[in-house]
Amino acid sequence: AQTVTQSQPEMSVQEAETVTLSCTYDTSENNYYLFWYKQPPSRQMILVIRQEAYKQQNATENRFSVNFQKAAKSFSLKISDSQLGDTAMYFCAFMKLMNYGGSQGNLIFGKGTKLSVKP
Amino acid sequence: ETGVTQSPTHLIKTRGQQVTLRCSSQSGHNTVSWYQQALGQGPQFIFQYYREEENGRGNFPPRFSGLQFPNYSSELNVNALELDDSALYLCASSSDRRDEQFFGPGTRLTVL
Repeated sequence: AQTVTQSQPEMSVQEAETVTLSCTYDTSENNYYLFWYKQPPSRQMILVIRQEAYKQQNATENRFSVNFQKAAKSFSLKISDSQLGDTAMYFCAFMKLMNYGGSQGNLIFGKGTKLSVKP
Repeated sequence: ETGVTQSPTHLIKTRGQQVTLRCSSQSGHNTVSWYQQALGQGPQFIFQYYREEENGRGNFPPRFSGLQFPNYSSELNVNALELDDSALYLCASSSDRRDEQFFGPGTRLTVL
């Protein structure tokens, strides 16, 4: 069974600074996706960034980038130039990929990291 | 905004009652997944519906059941409610079973 671990329950960062959120996962699978989702106090889960395991290049979306270390099963999120609107719970999630005919694309989430951006 | 809507926003029930939660998927999406998020936890997968059929289930008892309609909207039904069923229930739609999931705002269920 796959597991996702986020070891930092809470973090804080000053506005405009950079912060890195950690995530490790355990799987015997070779084909999978990894995601970072953001959940602000409004509750709506929003996709921040996605990484396909077969891609060696780390994904980047504007101020958000990941450090994907497949052998170490590590998937950290770096937020540059932090903004007040980045304040939220951040969840790391894993999705196993199977042969198309039997695929079940459910997400397995970590417990989350609460990020506070301070002015 | 993802285009995924859920109703109701909040719901209060008593132990033993039954509840139905609804989800409208984003236009063009044929897959709906349901998750339960207890307070302070990450979401836990309940089940997934693909083209009106259940396509996988998490570790939830049979009193959690679902349905997907021809327009790909979906319902989550919970019978014999227990106090531990109090949680935020999230649905997510995707254009296929393994694609990126777009979440709705959730339904907050409180069981007294």
